[in-house]
Amino acid sequence: DAGVIQSPRHEVTEMGQEVTLRCKPISGHNSLFWYRQTMMRGLELLIYFNNNVPIDDSGMPEDRFSAKMPNASFSTLKIQPSEPRDSAVYFCASSLGPGPEAFFGQGTRLTVV
Amino acid sequence: DQQVKQNSPSLSVQEGRISILNCDYTNSMFDYFLWYKKYPAEGPTFLISISSIKDKNEDGRFTVFLNKSAKHLSLHIVPSQPGDSAVYFCAASAGGATNKLIFGTGTLLAVQP
Repeated sequence: DAGVIQSPRHEVTEMGQEVTLRCKPISGHNSLFWYRQTMMRGLELLIYFNNNVPIDDSGMPEDRFSAKMPNASFSTLKIQPSEPRDSAVYFCASSLGPGPEAFFGQGTRLTVV
Repeated sequence: DQQVKQNSPSLSVQEGRISILNCDYTNSMFDYFLWYKKYPAEGPTFLISISSIKDKNEDGRFTVFLNKSAKHLSLHIVPSQPGDSAVYFCAASAGGATNKLIFGTGTLLAVQP
């Protein structure tokens, strides 16, 4: 398996634009997570899906952020409109259980100018 | 509120010596703890874990110790190698129906040759 695949690897956008980050989890995994890495907060959980259903979105910073998982092999994280403070590395991870070990993608580095 | 804390942003160790990375947590519901390693421009990779029913878990050069009464865990790397230089994240899970991981802010380990 190729592991968790994220695209794009890098995204530079202007403030106010819509940004969509994409993730393909490991085949067969039933949980998917979106994390954001910043210096101040480390790896911050944004949202968590189980069997394609959002379970916990308490980490989503505000209504500008939304995430979907239309099927078991694809998820998106959308920011609309984007702001400079959204600049960070966004990671997608998936897991199978029963243990909580999660496997991470290589991340998307987002820069909002 | 940071439920998982890594109070040392960085650590420098000589090659061959022991590296000790520390982590504290506040949520007594956490019952599974993990360490992840992250190289620049890559996603975090799982390193070692420990269940709350144990106080030690060893895997080669890596040992994790858990002190539940102090809500503290540590990762020991012996002997340290230059290739161990990376950011190390501590993570915790409350288990049950959810297997989401809560991460600390990370510790940058530099192993000097």
